[in-house]
Amino acid sequence: RKEVEQDPGPFNVPEGATVAFNCTYSNSASQSFFWYRQDCRKEPKLLMSVYSSGNEDGRFTAQLNRASQYISLLIRDSKLSDSATYLCVVGDSSYKLIFGSGTRLLVRP
Amino acid sequence: DTEVTQTPKHLVMGMTNKKSLKCEQHMGHRAMYWYKQKAKKPPELMFVYSYEKLSINESVPSRFSPECPNSSLLNLHLHALQPEDSALYLCASSRADGEAQYFGPGTRLTVT
Repeated sequence: RKEVEQDPGPFNVPEGATVAFNCTYSNSASQSFFWYRQDCRKEPKLLMSVYSSGNEDGRFTAQLNRASQYISLLIRDSKLSDSATYLCVVGDSSYKLIFGSGTRLLVRP
Repeated sequence: DTEVTQTPKHLVMGMTNKKSLKCEQHMGHRAMYWYKQKAKKPPELMFVYSYEKLSINESVPSRFSPECPNSSLLNLHLHALQPEDSALYLCASSRADGEAQYFGPGTRLTVT
């Protein structure tokens, strides 16, 4: 079983749509949780940290369910510029981040 | 400022060459990282430096040699690489354990 699992997609949605990505992790001792986005041939960029209480940043909402070891990202009112690969990332300990394989999002006009 | 810089942007080297990749951050972060990323795969951790000391080596072959001259700089020395080592090499830094990592733009390495 992979340590961090994501649906690879691609998710192909029209502009303005709402899209949700899910992620599960295997290590119950994981301490920190993040979503990164990565554009083609670019570096990963931090989108948001994920907290147990859930958090929102504009059109993006992240949720964490520690009991189910499940993380989600909701994007509302999708823009063309949201097209990218979204990486679910979990911090275990000792400075290590474990990356999911990424979910590809394509937003079409 | 969340900037991590890396040089060079692109590097082509032969299997007998020696080259170095450089990374710099001025955010006062105390942890720095090297990752390798192949196309359509997530980044793979190679090395972690914490307070300028090597804390994690993910069983990386000795043809890759990291160095941390000070808290702002991280180098990766390359020697006798193989064509399968061609990849995007990413440097990252974080303020502390478990906190978000900020990535540099990477060095795209081709070994011929």
